[in-house]
Amino acid sequence: GAVVSQHPSRVICKSGTSVKIECRSLDFQATTMFWYRQFPKQSLMLMATSNEGSKATYEQGVEKDKFLINHASLTLSTLTVTSAHPEDSSFYICSARDWTSGLQETQYFGPGTRLLVL
Amino acid sequence: AQTVTQSQPEMSVQEAETVTLSCTYDTSESDYYLFWYKQPPSRQMILVIRQEAYKQQNATENRFSVNFQKAAKSFSLKISDSQLGDAAMYFCALIQGAQKLVFGQGTRLTINP
Repeated sequence: GAVVSQHPSRVICKSGTSVKIECRSLDFQATTMFWYRQFPKQSLMLMATSNEGSKATYEQGVEKDKFLINHASLTLSTLTVTSAHPEDSSFYICSARDWTSGLQETQYFGPGTRLLVL
Repeated sequence: AQTVTQSQPEMSVQEAETVTLSCTYDTSESDYYLFWYKQPPSRQMILVIRQEAYKQQNATENRFSVNFQKAAKSFSLKISDSQLGDAAMYFCALIQGAQKLVFGQGTRLTINP
């Protein structure tokens, strides 16, 4: 149980285009999902908390207009990198909490998406 | 503010031996949860073990066990009978209630055959 998927696993795009990354909880409902960014050989950096049916909460320093988050259902959150530039190239990971289990504080992670902006 | 510190950037161990990864943390709360996550080369974050702060008994999951010292704010991970598949980055993490998960810097574990 508690499986989280991400799509696509890797994407290459041209500078100036937008890229959408999907995060799905496959066998549970996730009212809260999280988006992280990870640079090479570094730890995970929380970008935003995605709440179903409401606006995302962004961490300080994260541009809301560049990283659009939509959590339209209990099993799907999307991250759209708008007008992507080479500095947006990174590894993006989502996670979700299973509030129906007895382990509500535990986050389960997706496999990540490697974004390369040319 | 909560902080998590992993003071060992890299560790190595011989296959079948035991290795301990260190983690210290700081929090002002008495109720929180601690985790060890594993990130292999595939970069998939995998939950290894979790510990509730209110439980005195150390958590164990097969070959993985923790030494939770609440007063010292220490949460080390012991891997017994190390296997080649254990090679990965290991992250210690802390969470309080509905707040965000705070990660340590990570420890890269190498298994020598």
